[in-house]
Formats: sequence, structure tokens, C-alpha cells
Amino acid sequence: GQQLNQSPQSMFIQEGEDVSMNCTSSSIFNTWLWYKQEPGEGPVLLIALYKAGELTSNGRLTAQFGITRKDSFLNISASIPSDVGIYFCAGQLQGAQKLVFGQGTRLTINP
Amino acid sequence: DTAVSQTPKYLVTQMGNDKSIKCEQNLGHDTMYWYKQDSKKFLKIMFSYNNKELIINETVPNRFSPKSPDKAHLNLHINSLELGDSAVYFCASSQASTFLDIQYFGAGTRLSVL
Repeated sequence: GQQLNQSPQSMFIQEGEDVSMNCTSSSIFNTWLWYKQEPGEGPVLLIALYKAGELTSNGRLTAQFGITRKDSFLNISASIPSDVGIYFCAGQLQGAQKLVFGQGTRLTINP
Repeated sequence: DTAVSQTPKYLVTQMGNDKSIKCEQNLGHDTMYWYKQDSKKFLKIMFSYNNKELIINETVPNRFSPKSPDKAHLNLHINSLELGDSAVYFCASSQASTFLDIQYFGAGTRLSVL
């Protein structure tokens, strides 16, 4: 069943606004990954997190691996039109050999 | 050069037919995967192969049979297609099989079963 809860499911924002989304679980994860998927394309990795408490940036994107190892968030600052897409969190469960994906956050930006 | 390429991009077929989706990666990776993305965009792993050997086989009907002729290719054959098989299928690859490695995804194959 679903082991990752990603929220919000969708966001409608104005260009220039900051965006925040997160993933939570009742299980412990060894790795957190954030992907972006654009229409007609496969997911593309944005940020990978490997240690609890780790804070990593990629341009205007910042993601953190929660201290409890049960959550992660992604922030996008000063959004631009090309940020539109679906953002997925994914994690490797402790003791598991597979990635589990969140339901995705669909980001829409009004210019 | 496309790193992970899938063919076809679109596949429309009748219920009961058998169809195949092909995947090739030119990244020199050892591990390849098939994922299914349903209409709600939920991504779920189906299979994983490392150096042509099956390492993950999730609870997938045995109508789905992956085949890896070499480590650069992982094809997916589906027998007796059902309406519920309609989805987007993604192939992916990574250097290692630990899932700590970055996975690179293909553009997807949109399967519609009528």
C-alpha cells in the first residue's frame, strides 16, 4: 500500500512566489529523492538526500532530509513559469531494496 | 543522444492482445527497471534487473514478462491485455542496484487498452 504521503496534491501560485511541499511517512527512510516530471516526459532527479538532517540546494531548489528520517521537504524560491510540472518525492525504505514514490504535487504557475 | 529510450511512445490496442515495449540505455548502467504510472500519476516499481538478472519482482500479474537480452536492454512483454493495464510505463536505469544510485527515466510509453 501507499507508504508516503505527499502534500499538497496541487498548488496554484503566482510567478515569483515561493513554493513548499513535503513528504511524510510512518516508516524510516535511508534515502530521499525529489523528482520533477513534465508532460510527456519521465521523472528527472532534482535533489538526492542521503543523511538525516541533510540540507541540499540545487539553484532555487532546497530540500531537507528530516531528522526523524520519516519526512522530507522541497522548497522552490522565486518560482518561474518553467517550474510547472509534477514534483515527486521518493524514498528508499530502511531494509528495502526499492524506491517508494509519493503521489506527486502538481504545480501550476500563473504569470 | 537519448540516455534511456523506450519504444513505442504510444500504444493503442484491443483487450486480449499481446504487446511488447522495448527499452534501451546507453549509459553503461548495470541496473534497469520498469515502473507503472497510473491515471492518478502514482508511480510503482514492477521489475528490476541487475546485469540481466531479475532482482525485484513486485506483485505483478504473470501476464507481464520482462526480458533482458543484455544489460543495456530491458523489454516488457504483456500477454492478454486488460483494460486495467492502461497506464504509462516507464523504463529507468542506474549504475548500481542499491537504490542509492540516481535513476534515469525514459520518456514513457502510454498504453491504452480498448
